Amino acid sequence: QQQVKQSPQSLIVQKGGIPIINCAYENTAFDYFPWYQQFPGKGPALLIAIRPDVSEKKEGRFTISFNKSAKQFSLHIMDSQPGDSATYFCAAHSNGFSGGYNKLIFGAGTRLAVHP
Amino acid sequence: DTEVTQTPKHLVMGMTNKKSLKCEQHMGHRAMYWYKQKAKKPPELMFVYSYEKLSINESVPSRFSPECPNSSLLNLHLHALQPEDSALYLCASRRGRGANVLTFGAGSRLTVL
Repeated sequence: QQQVKQSPQSLIVQKGGIPIINCAYENTAFDYFPWYQQFPGKGPALLIAIRPDVSEKKEGRFTISFNKSAKQFSLHIMDSQPGDSATYFCAAHSNGFSGGYNKLIFGAGTRLAVHP
Repeated sequence: DTEVTQTPKHLVMGMTNKKSLKCEQHMGHRAMYWYKQKAKKPPELMFVYSYEKLSINESVPSRFSPECPNSSLLNLHLHALQPEDSALYLCASRRGRGANVLTFGAGSRLTVL
């Protein structure tokens, strides 16, 4: 119930392509869904986030699509660039269930490589 | 200042050593976190401090001892670690109640020999 399932594990696209990373969750108590980007040797950095009452959010070249009934959400990167090569983690925020308080539960991560 | 600063960036220690990791933020955030991240894995939550009190301990072995001396500082004391404890240790902070965004530091890369 506390898991967030992320796919694919790795992804290779050509420059200008549109990589799509998918996540699914079970617990309807999750109230916030961020995506983090992590470069090697660095900590994760918040990329974009969405609340479950919104179906889509765009920030620059990054778009989250959210399907509340299917309990799925995805990240699309438009016009991908080699500098987008990183590991992407979806996450779900829980607030107070299972004895937790403001816990962020991460998906397994997707290693994206954008080739020139 | 919108950073979480972690020191040291790299640490090598033997199994009998005692060392500490330090985390500092000056954003006025009232919740601070320790995560452990192994290679090619997501961060795993270890501890959460909320308003300087330990609110979550994810059944972490006692060889890891967290400390929150004040609202800006978070330490992780290490003693008698095992080689399998080698990982990237990430500190994060959050503004407080009602806020969901975590800001992460760059991490401390720990190697236990």
